[in-house]
Amino acid sequence: QVQLVESGGGVVQPGGSLRLSCVTSEFTFRTYGMHWVRQAPGKGLEWVSFIRFDGNNNYYADSVKGRFTISRDNSKNTLYLQMNSLRAEDTAVYYCAKDMFPWRDMGQGLIIGDYWGQGTLVTVSS
Amino acid sequence: QSALTQPPSASGSPGQSATISCTGTSSDVGGNNYVSWYQHHPGKAPKLIIYDVYKRPSGVPDRFSGSKSGNTASLTVSGLQAGDEADYYCSSYAGSNNCMVFGGGTKLTVL
Repeated sequence: QVQLVESGGGVVQPGGSLRLSCVTSEFTFRTYGMHWVRQAPGKGLEWVSFIRFDGNNNYYADSVKGRFTISRDNSKNTLYLQMNSLRAEDTAVYYCAKDMFPWRDMGQGLIIGDYWGQGTLVTVSS
Repeated sequence: QSALTQPPSASGSPGQSATISCTGTSSDVGGNNYVSWYQHHPGKAPKLIIYDVYKRPSGVPDRFSGSKSGNTASLTVSGLQAGDEADYYCSSYAGSNNCMVFGGGTKLTVL
């Protein structure tokens, strides 16, 4: 049974930093690209970032570019999201999601989330 | 990176059908066949129900179907059931920005 478990959420002041983790199991993590998707309170889903299976290519939404960094440790089957310079509008539930097909990169038919984690809540507030 | 346009709400009676549209541009929905649809019950993880415009992942009933014409993709839910009541989101690759984009979401109510 494929599992994705996020952690690292919490309350942080504006301008602060937080690192989210997503521990995965029961699939060959090193062959799949991974996404972060968020949902602000009362709002819709927003794609945040994607990292290629080997970690060599990363992509970001304009809203987080330059502040967030996606990374992965294929030896630990774990995905990360380093969030710096946090703003109130970054308050959201953050989901990690597995891409559906192996070996793909942006523009090669990415399919967000045949499996998703349960999400971790990040609250940016003073 | 503009969100794709979905109607905020849709509805139908049990057993009937409901269709949700997802309108983008030639740079996203109209420019590729990488359109996906997700069902999201509040408090749960989203669930992929359609990918590549019309394909269904294993286990998704054929009551869910997808199509596309020009810059607009559509999701049709046939034989509506109470459990279909949820938020539905479309997603597409956006070639102009080389990124992914979601629609604003549609709340489907089964009357």
